[in-house]
Amino acid sequence: KAGVTQTPRYLIKTRGQQVTLSCSPISGHRSVSWYQQTPGQGLQFLFEYFSETQRNKGNFPGRFSGRQFSNSRSEMNVSTLELGDSALYLCASSLGSADGETQYFGPGTRLLVL
Amino acid sequence: SQQGEEDPQALSIQEGENATMNCSYKTSINNLQWYRQNSGRGLVHLILIRSNEREKHSGRLRVTLDTSKKSSSLLITASRAADTASYFCATANFGNEKLTFGTGTRLTIIP
Repeated sequence: KAGVTQTPRYLIKTRGQQVTLSCSPISGHRSVSWYQQTPGQGLQFLFEYFSETQRNKGNFPGRFSGRQFSNSRSEMNVSTLELGDSALYLCASSLGSADGETQYFGPGTRLLVL
Repeated sequence: SQQGEEDPQALSIQEGENATMNCSYKTSINNLQWYRQNSGRGLVHLILIRSNEREKHSGRLRVTLDTSKKSSSLLITASRAADTASYFCATANFGNEKLTFGTGTRLTIIP
């Protein structure tokens, strides 16, 4: 099976702009989670989507949003970008049993906000 | 917020030696997982240990879990240069897929 894919891999934006990142899960996986990784805060959970519904949400401002499509592909959007949003954004997929199962991560999208 | 700390933050050993990393967490868990990350890339799942298990092996990896102390350790035996990476523990609770990660240990294997 193909692994989790994320596009784009690298992105440069300026403050105030918005950005959309995409994640395609492993075939058959219905859960997609998003994480932000920064040197200062480490790996932080953003949100999880299952069957097109947000099932869990981390402690991030409303500028961070996401959605999931019927084919389980997911997008996350960050509006009004701030310098502190520069990070590696990782998505992970799983079958979605909601039992803390193994997550399969994509290669990440590295976002730089200038 | 992060679940807990990993110790040490960085570890350098000679190739062939064993590497031990420790992870502490704060709340009760369903399972604990270890992941590896190479140079800021995606995370690769290594091993999952459930809260009712005390020890688990996978190839050169040995993981222990002590729920009374809320701690886990990862042992990599006979290290190789390819093991150079950052290692993260992550805890999972019942009812959701959210992983709460530790701070990570950066492991360097010296050839």
